[in-house]
Amino acid sequence: GQNIDQPTEMTATEGAIVQINCTYQTSGFNGLFWYQQHAGEAPTFLSYNVLDGLEEKGRFSSFLSRSKGYSYLLLKELQMKDSASYLCAVLDSNYQLIWGAGTKLIIKP
Amino acid sequence: IAGITQAPTSQILAAGRRMTLRCTQDMRHNAMYWYRQDLGLGLRLIHYSNTAGTTGKGEVPDGYSVSRANTDDFPLTLASAVPSQTSVYFCASSEVVAGEQFFGPGTRLTVL
Repeated sequence: GQNIDQPTEMTATEGAIVQINCTYQTSGFNGLFWYQQHAGEAPTFLSYNVLDGLEEKGRFSSFLSRSKGYSYLLLKELQMKDSASYLCAVLDSNYQLIWGAGTKLIIKP
Repeated sequence: IAGITQAPTSQILAAGRRMTLRCTQDMRHNAMYWYRQDLGLGLRLIHYSNTAGTTGKGEVPDGYSVSRANTDDFPLTLASAVPSQTSVYFCASSEVVAGEQFFGPGTRLTVL
């Protein structure tokens, strides 16, 4: 079967750095997405990786290792507004997104 | 530009009733999707449409049907609602099949 694993919840301090990990086992791989979802709202796109390595976009970076079935989302200079759930999703061989359950990130002052 | 709109925002429905959730996008995206999101589970794909006039089944299609008569609209119908269909339903669209997906605000459905 297909499986995406992420930690259920993480806590970090305002101004700090946090890394959210995602491991996957899917039938095929055509890219990995990270989305942010604030409570009660819709998911919004953060990043896309299809090749190994690090993609940096402002305070957010995403890393992919296809051989290890592993990705992480790195958030720097954390702000209170970064409190949200972070969803990892893999595009499988049928070009359908398989979603992890999400990591709830709690930011403390 | 509205992006994607969904209606209704929320609904309480008696079991056995028929219900259609509406989804409209104004971005001229080719692909559209319906997901359900339940606590502790990831988003699960119900049905999708890669282009107007075509539809496909996702991971959890039973009890749901869709149509894609034109580019903009992608309604989801529950023929006879059951309590296990209580969930938050998100419609999404993407310009191309493998592209970034844009989500509507969601419909919170409760089936009693």
